[in-house]
Amino acid sequence: SQTIHQWPATLVQPVGSPLSLECTVEGTSNPNLYWYRQAAGRGLQLLFYSVGIGQISSEVPQNLSASRPQDRQFILSSKKLLLSDSGFYLCALVAGGREQYFGPGTRLTVT
Amino acid sequence: AQSVAQPEDQVNVAEGNPLTVKCTYSVSGNPYLFWYVQYPNRGLQFLLKYITGDNLVKGSYGFEAEFNKSQTSFHLKKPSALVSDSALYFCAVSPFHGSGNTGKLIFGQGTTLQVKP
Repeated sequence: SQTIHQWPATLVQPVGSPLSLECTVEGTSNPNLYWYRQAAGRGLQLLFYSVGIGQISSEVPQNLSASRPQDRQFILSSKKLLLSDSGFYLCALVAGGREQYFGPGTRLTVT
Repeated sequence: AQSVAQPEDQVNVAEGNPLTVKCTYSVSGNPYLFWYVQYPNRGLQFLLKYITGDNLVKGSYGFEAEFNKSQTSFHLKKPSALVSDSALYFCAVSPFHGSGNTGKLIFGQGTTLQVKP
């Protein structure tokens, strides 16, 4: 079965600093990958998704970007963080079935 | 616009009693439907799905959900609630099928389930 790793688990960064969150998956190949942000423990906002290496679709215009340099690696980045970027970031995948499976998440606090 | 609604922010139930968490959707075509559970500071865990077939779907941890096409609903149920069921529950819909399916989901806003001993 597939496993999703997210690194780091928690992060505190000052406004204006860069960001790099990593998501890696095991136990599957060529998955669709997704980045979500969850604010205040409620609804999920889809940020980016990828159906293959180098293929990124953005759902919401913002100062974040995503990349997929390898089949099982999905990276979320920012050049300059804003206070509003704080939240719980979740990586998810779809592989074969219809349901999405989620990673453990990264808690980002921008100060 | 396609959407998913969870009309209750919170549901309170006593341990041992049956529970229902409501979900209605508004999408075109025949959607795929899902329920997820989230514990504090954790990722979402998949509970169950409806793709086709029997309207009553059974999932993990004794949960089940009933698909009602005429009412466009997919309510989550459990016959006997446990304190450990207390968590945040999300309903989701995948309205995109066929070739080129990206697997994107539309999520409801979530319902907090509180089970009291």
